[in-house]
Amino acid sequence: AQSVTQPDIHITVSEGASLELRCNYSYGATPYLFWYVQSPGQGLQLLLKYFSGDTLVQGIKGFEAEFKRSQSSFNLRKPSVHWSDAAEYFCAVVAYNFNKFYFGSGTKLNVKP
Amino acid sequence: DGGITQSPKYLFRKEGQNVTLSCEQNLNHDAMYWYRQDPGQGLRLIYYSQIVNDFQKGDIAEGYSVSREKKESFPLTVTSAQKNPTAFYLCAIAPGGANSPLHFGNGTRLTVT
Repeated sequence: AQSVTQPDIHITVSEGASLELRCNYSYGATPYLFWYVQSPGQGLQLLLKYFSGDTLVQGIKGFEAEFKRSQSSFNLRKPSVHWSDAAEYFCAVVAYNFNKFYFGSGTKLNVKP
Repeated sequence: DGGITQSPKYLFRKEGQNVTLSCEQNLNHDAMYWYRQDPGQGLRLIYYSQIVNDFQKGDIAEGYSVSREKKESFPLTVTSAQKNPTAFYLCAIAPGGANSPLHFGNGTRLTVT
């Protein structure tokens, strides 16, 4: 069965510091992978997606993610965090029949001034 | 948000009452989804519909019902059989068709007392 694990529930970083949010997936075939961001009380906004090709994908707001098949990982990174990046981040994988997306439990990011 | 509208933003009901959450889209897309979000649990799929007059159960359909009489509308009814209805409910569409990322509405927070 497909699943997504985000091992970090909360992460706190200082403004200007680098960020890496971890995501591991379990899936039998080549996955389609996504990162979403959610501000409190809002819907989810797509940050980036990986379908195939280059394993380093660029997204909006200066985020990037790297797909590593050998580690079943799709970690999200940002070189320098801004206070406005404080939010909850979700990793997701879509199943082969495209009908069901599986989401991780989320990582809440706090940014210290 | 961007063609998908959920209403109301906040909803309060007494235990034992059915309540219907609205999801409307003006983007003429076939696939629509309902997710439930609870703190620390990510998003869980309730129901999805790939075409008018057809829908499938997701992972947590018990206590919920849906209809898809029109392409633009996919209302969700939370019935009195749902044991823990208080949650944040998100509606989504898949604008690009198969493989495409989900696009979410801004959600409805339901509180049942």
